[in-house]
Amino acid sequence: GENVEQHPSTLSVQEGDSAVIKCTYSDSASNYFPWYKQELGKRPQLIIDIRSNVGEKKDQRIAVTLNKTAKHFSLHITETQPEDSAVYFCAGSSGGSYIPTFGRGTSLIVHP
Amino acid sequence: NAGVTQTPKFQVLKTGQSMTLQCAQDMNHEYMSWYRQDPGMGLRLIHYSVGAGITDQGEVPNGYNVSRSTTEDFPLRLLSAAPSQTSVYFCASSYSQTQPQHFGDGTRLSIL
Repeated sequence: GENVEQHPSTLSVQEGDSAVIKCTYSDSASNYFPWYKQELGKRPQLIIDIRSNVGEKKDQRIAVTLNKTAKHFSLHITETQPEDSAVYFCAGSSGGSYIPTFGRGTSLIVHP
Repeated sequence: NAGVTQTPKFQVLKTGQSMTLQCAQDMNHEYMSWYRQDPGMGLRLIHYSVGAGITDQGEVPNGYNVSRSTTEDFPLRLLSAAPSQTSVYFCASSYSQTQPQHFGDGTRLSIL
């Protein structure tokens, strides 16, 4: 089955800095990579996703990059703000696996 | 649309008691899943379903049962509650394995 590893487990930045969270996956057949944001006490919510036929996708201050050869993908947040503070989860999924496999999460702390 | 609805939001049980966590979605999604979230452990898959009448085990199925008699509902049963099952439980649904998952608000369960 798929194995997704996520690093770092905790990331502390100053407001305005950039933040990068990295994930690696094991199944070369994986073709869908979503990112979820979970604020304290709330449910995970999708913030951006990327499919294997695309190398990069942007949505305002967030972007995701995918390197299929190296089997890793990354979340980039620019100009971080205190409201970006949350736990971020990556996941990988293929047509052969019924449910996505999640990384263990990264706690992002943005200091004002 | 209400999305994914979980009940109850909070529950305290005594060791050995049984209970059912309810999950309902109104998006006509075939895929539904149950996760538990513990500090530092991310989202661990308990059971999942790819359609009415079809269920399968995830990473941590012991002590839990599920059934899927309708597309809308996917209840999770704790057979004999143990303190190790103290956790936050999330239900999620999606159109397919390569589409975003929609999470409920979670059930916070404490076993004394």
